[in-house]
Amino acid sequence: GAGVSQSPSNKVTEKGKDVELRCDPISGHTALYWYRQRLGQGLEFLIYFQGNSAPDKSGLPSDRFSAERTGESVSTLTIQRTQQEDSAVYLCASSLAWQLGNQPQHFGDGTRLSIL
Amino acid sequence: AQSVTQLDSQVPVFEEAPVELRCNYSSSVSVYLFWYVQYPNQGLQLLLKYLSGSTLVKGINGFEAEFNKSQTSFHLRKPSVHISDTAEYFCAVREETSGSRLTFGEGTQLTVNP
Repeated sequence: GAGVSQSPSNKVTEKGKDVELRCDPISGHTALYWYRQRLGQGLEFLIYFQGNSAPDKSGLPSDRFSAERTGESVSTLTIQRTQQEDSAVYLCASSLAWQLGNQPQHFGDGTRLSIL
Repeated sequence: AQSVTQLDSQVPVFEEAPVELRCNYSSSVSVYLFWYVQYPNQGLQLLLKYLSGSTLVKGINGFEAEFNKSQTSFHLRKPSVHISDTAEYFCAVREETSGSRLTFGEGTQLTVNP
């Protein structure tokens, strides 16, 4: 498939556990974004990677949240010591570098995270 | 900082009726504007975008939107909706100088009834 791929599609875990969410961007897309979507709400920006530049982490809600990306490939979003308020759909998007003419973001189907 | 307001959280309409989903933004600099659609249990799909030039933008599935700089609006319209248009619609803005994040509105649930 040529789209953004996220795994798992659904994750149910107990409060206090750590979770890791994965995103495979579209090949050749240097920009990668993570968003959180709570039930019935819009998307909340979490973090942005652009090539080898330092990521923009300004949207991460707490130090329990972290993300990594190796080069221009896969990214993982890690949530440590999960809390019930972390329950949401986590969406990943990728795009060509924004400097190339404001490219649109292409979204994956998301990971639905439920904290019991 | 930019912000986006979608004035209607829910819009019910009958099939083949026209629809307008409203979006207003605030920003102190030039912006790029987008509409995305989200079907149940799926990610977001780009409907259309305004970058520059003509203020009337045509997108996929028969949707169009008009950028009005003086009113800071970017309303989405379709002259005749289908049941398959039932979905959540998000307006988003990116400041010309920001280079990264999109700021999204809260979304409008469009429900098309037979």
